[in-house]
Amino acid sequence: DTGVSQNPRHKITKRGQNVTFRCDPISEHNRLYWYRQTLGQGPEFLTYFQNEAQLEKSRLLSDRFSAERPKGSFSTLEIQRTEQGDSAMYLCASSLVWGPTNEKLFFGSGTQLSVL
Amino acid sequence: GQQVMQIPQYQHVQEGEDFTTYCNSSTTLSNIQWYKQRPGGHPVFLIQLVKSGEVKKQKRLTFQFGEAKKNSSLHITATQTTDVGTYFCARETSGSRLTFGEGTQLTVNP
Repeated sequence: DTGVSQNPRHKITKRGQNVTFRCDPISEHNRLYWYRQTLGQGPEFLTYFQNEAQLEKSRLLSDRFSAERPKGSFSTLEIQRTEQGDSAMYLCASSLVWGPTNEKLFFGSGTQLSVL
Repeated sequence: GQQVMQIPQYQHVQEGEDFTTYCNSSTTLSNIQWYKQRPGGHPVFLIQLVKSGEVKKQKRLTFQFGEAKKNSSLHITATQTTDVGTYFCARETSGSRLTFGEGTQLTVNP
């Protein structure tokens, strides 16, 4: 499988619980992005990595959110003390970037989070 | 200043009719990308436009980048039911990340 893989596909949790999602990007891609999408909206940027370095994090992102990409390969996104407002589709995307211009993003199928 | 506005938000057409969605920015764009998201699916890259006034075609899809690089459009000729989905434009913002518009949701009646 050469696409972006995300696990789990669905996650239902109770308010206050912690959740962790995993993303496996396309193997040769050096950039990895996390986006969040709610119904009827465009994907909202959360954070991105270039190899293992986290280069940018959205100012709108709560401190309850943390992401890692320890070896520059797969990434995890953790949400602590979940709130109902965290319910959304969490999308991972990867790209191969050589120069300053952005290249196309390849998205995974996403993890649908429902906080009860 | 870093957002892109898309119009219309929704578009319903009869199969065979044409469709156009517009993407507008108040500031100059370095480039613009277009993505399509089928219902229940994830965004899929369609094209990237870089040059002022650029026009690119993919079968029945025509993409344009404005001369001032502040707007872009996607035109579909003779829509088919397979064109159903939401079309997003996305701009590169500070830090090289992509910021997506709200999208235009297209429905096609057979």
